[in-house]
Amino acid sequence: DIQMTQSPSSLSASVGDRVTITCRASQTIRNYVNWYQQKPGKAPNVLIYSASSLHSGVPSRFRGSGSGTDFTLTINSLQPEDFATYFCQQNYGTAPTFGQGTKVEIK
Amino acid sequence: EVQLVESGGGLVQPGGSLRLSCAASGFTFSRYWMHWVRQDPGKGLEWVSRINSDGSSTSYADSVKGRFTISRDNAKNTLYLQMNSLRGEDRAVYYCVRVGDFWSGYYDYWGQGTLVTVSS
Repeated sequence: DIQMTQSPSSLSASVGDRVTITCRASQTIRNYVNWYQQKPGKAPNVLIYSASSLHSGVPSRFRGSGSGTDFTLTINSLQPEDFATYFCQQNYGTAPTFGQGTKVEIK
Repeated sequence: EVQLVESGGGLVQPGGSLRLSCAASGFTFSRYWMHWVRQDPGKGLEWVSRINSDGSSTSYADSVKGRFTISRDNAKNTLYLQMNSLRGEDRAVYYCVRVGDFWSGYYDYWGQGTLVTVSS
């Protein structure tokens, strides 16, 4: 299976900060990466698909980039509702796999 | 409004069986691929299984292959996961998810999840 290594595992940030989360795939996966946000006790919600496409209804402060093996989720001007855990997911291999998650906490 | 509602989770002894169901509404269920994804509470996400729109093709994670069976009844708008020979490591919240786009494979709708606990 393709491994997705996500970093950092957690970070502390303030409202208004720019936050960057990265995922590295164990082999090239073109642009087959999706990003999700999960809040405590809730199911994840998709933010970005195909590495850089913003899902319907997702604020434009969320931006995805990358191709090949290295991918980035950027949150511009962090808002109070953005404090959550973020996961990347690859859908290139025979089995979808997820990164370990990044918990974004309030500084 | 799209809704996915899981049921069937609970406490089961090691070696036991459970059947999860996912009732879908608000969309044409028979047009979509569906997956099961699980999450050990407080930990990461793990893909479990997928089924194509008409139920003719399925696949499984290595960790559940030979023990779990995914199926669907398009007439009843329901997805199933039959889980046999359950182990402690199968303990997780199980989510039914809809594939929003075949090529990107992203999950655009998730159920609320159903907790499976395997313990003696």
